[in-house]
Amino acid sequence: GAGVSQTPSNKVTEKGKYVELRCDPISGHTALYWYRQSLGQGPEFLIYFQGTGAADDSGLPNDRFFAVRPEGSVSTLKIQRTERGDSAVYLCASSLTQSRGGTEAFFGQGTRLTVV
Amino acid sequence: KQEVTQIPAALSVPEGENLVLNCSFTDSAIYNLQWFRQDPGKGLTSLLLIQSSQREQTSGRLNASLDKSSGRSTLYIAASQPGDSATYLCAVLRDDYKLSFGAGTTVTVRA
Repeated sequence: GAGVSQTPSNKVTEKGKYVELRCDPISGHTALYWYRQSLGQGPEFLIYFQGTGAADDSGLPNDRFFAVRPEGSVSTLKIQRTERGDSAVYLCASSLTQSRGGTEAFFGQGTRLTVV
Repeated sequence: KQEVTQIPAALSVPEGENLVLNCSFTDSAIYNLQWFRQDPGKGLTSLLLIQSSQREQTSGRLNASLDKSSGRSTLYIAASQPGDSATYLCAVLRDDYKLSFGAGTTVTVRA
C-alpha cells in the first residue's frame, strides 16, 4: 500500500478482554515500530522489529503486551486481560531500514483503544 | 534518558503571522530530529527530518533548524493559514531506531 495501514481504527473492549491490533507497513520497509500515545502526551516507544525478530521490546509495559511479525511484514500487537489504563492510541510506524544516521519513520493513522 | 520538551504547549495566532515552535532535548547524542504534524484523532505526518550533521531543512513555508550542541530545534512556519492548525511534535532519534517525542505544541490559526 501507499502508506502504513492500521486496523481497526477504533476498538472498544471490556476490561479483562483480549485484543489484537494490526499494522501493515509500507512495502519493502524492514523496520517496524509500535508506539503508544496517551491523551495530551507524545508517543512512547513500545517495541521495534527488524525483519521478523523483535530487536527491542523494552518499551512494553508488562507481560500482558506482546507483538509478532512472523513474515517480516504485517505485525500484530496483542494485549491480554486489558485494563482501563491501556486506553490510548496505538501507533505503528515503518522505515526502510535502520543504519547510522537513521531513516525517516512513517506513521499510520493509529488505533484508538478504549477499555471500558 | 532522553527528555524532549516543547514550549509553548499551545499557541494561538491570527492568520498570516509567522509561527515559531521550540523543541529542546537533553542528550545531544542523537542521529536525527523529526518534526511531525498531528491532526485531532489522527496519526503523525512527517514534516521535516534533519540529520545530526545538518543545521536546517526547508520545505515550502516550513523551515527547521537544529543546534545539536545546545540541544535545540526550532520549527518556523511562514505566513500561517487556518489549515496549519494542528499539534506539532518533535522527536529525536537515539539508539539507531528509538524516537523520543515531546508532548507537542497545539497551534490554532485564527481566520
